[in-house]
Amino acid sequence: ETGVTQSPTHLIKTRGQQVTLRCSSQSGHNTVSWYQQALGQGPQFIFQYYREEENGRGNFPPRFSGLQFPNYSSELNVNALELDDSALYLCASSFSPDRGRYEQYFGPGTRLTVT
Amino acid sequence: SQQGEEDPQALSIQEGENATMNCSYKTSINNLQWYRQNSGRGLVHLILIRSNEREKHSGRLRVTLDTSKKSSSLLITASRAADTASYFCATDGVYDYKLSFGAGTTVTVRA
Repeated sequence: ETGVTQSPTHLIKTRGQQVTLRCSSQSGHNTVSWYQQALGQGPQFIFQYYREEENGRGNFPPRFSGLQFPNYSSELNVNALELDDSALYLCASSFSPDRGRYEQYFGPGTRLTVT
Repeated sequence: SQQGEEDPQALSIQEGENATMNCSYKTSINNLQWYRQNSGRGLVHLILIRSNEREKHSGRLRVTLDTSKKSSSLLITASRAADTASYFCATDGVYDYKLSFGAGTTVTVRA
């Protein structure tokens, strides 16, 4: 167990709807990163938050947005859901965003299915 | 697009045997990490090797890094059924903070 929790565990949504996924980072960690993992593939970086500000973004459209709160927990919001958004969404927390110097600790993920 | 590629895609071995998987990447890195994933759940961090290191050990794990060939290998010795999982290498670039993952190697350890 890493101490990183995510909710909900599973979620089913309809195309066009909006979804919010939540992540609580490990105690003492101030950086949260979000990843999307499609079936049979490796995780793809969505974005990272450091001290409540976005600190880097991958190749995802603006309908993917996020927040980090003062207690360093985080939300991932996806608007106008598409079928291809069906995936496992992983959040990872770390002590610092410092270029991978610190290990990222992953939560168990949220499985999103879009029908 | 993914920075790393693992090889082989799948591996089936007998309990007690060693498992070796390789990772190749394209651009210069700061660090390389290996993760394990069981049944599509969260990733478990196994080991981090810095770009100025060549070999690292952790328990039954041995990782090597060859920056001139842009490749790394993960060796699991004396495998157990509990080692059955997907293994991913992840790199972070010199100028960015994100981790770039390969597609993974699926390891099955037969009892």
